[in-house]
Amino acid sequence: DSGVTQTPKHLITATGQRVTLRCSPRSGDLSVYWYQQSLDQGLQFLIQYYNGEERAKGNILERFSAQQFPDLHSELNLSSLELGDSALYFCASSAGLYNEQFFGPGTRLTVL
Amino acid sequence: AQSVTQLGSHVSVSEGALVLLRCNYSSSVPPYLFWYVQYPNQGLQLLLKYTSAATLVKGINGFEAEFKKSETSFHLTKPSAHMSDAAEYFCAVSDPPTDKLIFGTGTRLQVFP
Repeated sequence: DSGVTQTPKHLITATGQRVTLRCSPRSGDLSVYWYQQSLDQGLQFLIQYYNGEERAKGNILERFSAQQFPDLHSELNLSSLELGDSALYFCASSAGLYNEQFFGPGTRLTVL
Repeated sequence: AQSVTQLGSHVSVSEGALVLLRCNYSSSVPPYLFWYVQYPNQGLQLLLKYTSAATLVKGINGFEAEFKKSETSFHLTKPSAHMSDAAEYFCAVSDPPTDKLIFGTGTRLQVFP
């Protein structure tokens, strides 16, 4: 158990819908990262927040957005879902820059 | 831009045999390098990391990796494979000035009795 929790574990939805994935980092970790794992693209970095502020952005679609709240949990919002958005979405947290990233168990999103 | 290349998407070994998973990196600056393992239906777990200290890095579960600058390699080894080592292994490099991770395509390790 990494100490990072993600909900829900599985999510099945339809094209065009909007979903929210939630991540609670390890106690004390200020940095949260979101990654997408798909068969087509492999593991890709989406976005990072540090203590509530966006720190780095990867290949995140405009239909996707994220935020980190004052209690440090983070949410990833995916809208206008397409079939190709079906993937495993991982959250990771770390204490700071270049510290070890601890990964959550992931949310498996299936878009039908 | 930083990148890593993992040679061999599948590696099969017998139980007790040497495990060698290959990773080459491309980096314009001294890199931070990582090996992660992913068991079926689970998240990623850090095996070991290189942060410019010792070039031979020991990790968990008997794994180790050697940083070779001249070969731009960071191969993962384990002297004796165990059935429980069957999993997918990912090499990753951090991407300064951020610390986001850039992952290789992964190597699936199968261990046969």
